[in-house]
Amino acid sequence: GAGVSQSPRYKVAKRGQDVALRCDPISGHVSLFWYQQALGQGPEFLTYFQNEAQLDKSGLPSDRFFAERPEGSVSTLKIQRTQQEDSAVYLCASSAEIGQPNTEAFFGQGTRLTVV
Amino acid sequence: AQSVTQLGSHVSVSEGALVLLRCNYSSSVPPYLFWYVQYPNQGLQLLLKYTSAATLVKGINGFEAEFKKSETSFHLTKPSAHMSDAAEYFCAVSSYGNNRLAFGKGNQVVVIP
Repeated sequence: GAGVSQSPRYKVAKRGQDVALRCDPISGHVSLFWYQQALGQGPEFLTYFQNEAQLDKSGLPSDRFFAERPEGSVSTLKIQRTQQEDSAVYLCASSAEIGQPNTEAFFGQGTRLTVV
Repeated sequence: AQSVTQLGSHVSVSEGALVLLRCNYSSSVPPYLFWYVQYPNQGLQLLLKYTSAATLVKGINGFEAEFKKSETSFHLTKPSAHMSDAAEYFCAVSSYGNNRLAFGKGNQVVVIP
């Protein structure tokens, strides 16, 4: 596709359930980011991949959050034993450059996770 | 640590009037600054970015922003608001050695006919 694709668009999970959120970046983009956007807030950084290497996971809020990008393209964000405070929109972004902070990041539409 | 501050979560502006969204940043190293727009049910879209080439930056849809180091600001303006400008606007900062984006809380812009 032409842009960053995320699936599912909406996910309702019961508290304690595990969820997996998928991101298909723009083809050829080496950098991939995950952000969490709580209601009424700006996106907050979760983790960063350069190809398949996870170079920064300092934003992951707990060890229940895990991300992977095994082949350097599609990425999955997994949340184990979901809790109500995990309810948010999860955004994925990709960019063509490595280590260039002035490069445009292209965002997907996000996955809205609601934990009930 | 880098951060940006956007005041006033909701901004109402009359159609045809000036749009002004304020952004102040905090960064210990030269910053790269961005404005993103988010339309309903769409992803964040880049409006414009400051990368030190010029302090006055022009973006899409008639928006522009001016980098003022002395004021640590990067305010977004548009001379004449259009109904299609109704959206949420986010200011963000990054820098070398830290290419993640740090976002402000955003401004929800409402355009009044």
